[in-house]
Amino acid sequence: DQQVKQNSPSLSVQEGRISILNCDYTNSMFDYFLWYKKYPAEGPTFLISISSIKDKNEDGRFTVFLNKSAKHLSLHIVPSQPGDSAVYFCAAREIPLRLGGSEKLVFGKGTKLTVNP
Amino acid sequence: GAVVSQHPSWVICKSGTSVKIECRSLDFQATTMFWYRQFPKQSLMLMATSNEGSKATYEQGVEKDKFLINHASLTLSTLTVTSAHPEDSSFYICSAPGWGSPNYGYTFGSGTRLTVV
Repeated sequence: DQQVKQNSPSLSVQEGRISILNCDYTNSMFDYFLWYKKYPAEGPTFLISISSIKDKNEDGRFTVFLNKSAKHLSLHIVPSQPGDSAVYFCAAREIPLRLGGSEKLVFGKGTKLTVNP
Repeated sequence: GAVVSQHPSWVICKSGTSVKIECRSLDFQATTMFWYRQFPKQSLMLMATSNEGSKATYEQGVEKDKFLINHASLTLSTLTVTSAHPEDSSFYICSAPGWGSPNYGYTFGSGTRLTVV
């Protein structure tokens, strides 16, 4: 059962417009949410995170919104640039369920963003 | 910032042989290292979590004897794929909580593309 879902496999936007990437989750034990950008054959690059006690975090062109009641978060990129074209992964941190356990990140399947010039 | 160096970036091996993948934290001490596997157009799936000085914790369904993980020091973790078969062909990525995680993300290696022929 997928705990982090990115239901849109792809998104295409025009340069200069807003890109909105969505993510849904099911586990209430997640305490942090992170967005990563990934190019083929490379490791993910961290973009922005948000704590579960907040509803918004902004960093330059990137803003993440969290709606805990809906178990939904979104990443807004504005203005979108052709260099933003990549696969974006939503990830959630699960805190250890037992003493001595390890935290772990659970990833969605990713959304491929294409920004057209 | 925190950097994780992963080697090799790609490797081709014959069925039945073993392959070792190394991840080194270059400017910080990684007491924990996460190992992921990604199939084409799929999510990053956590395979195991290694902790320096103790046994790795494997996710359900991951064969411990096939994917040997060693966390020899605070800066080195290795994944050895033993008796590799074509179905083990995949993209393997390591990750470690760096300074300021999770607010500032977890640092990922650049990944290893394994092809078993």
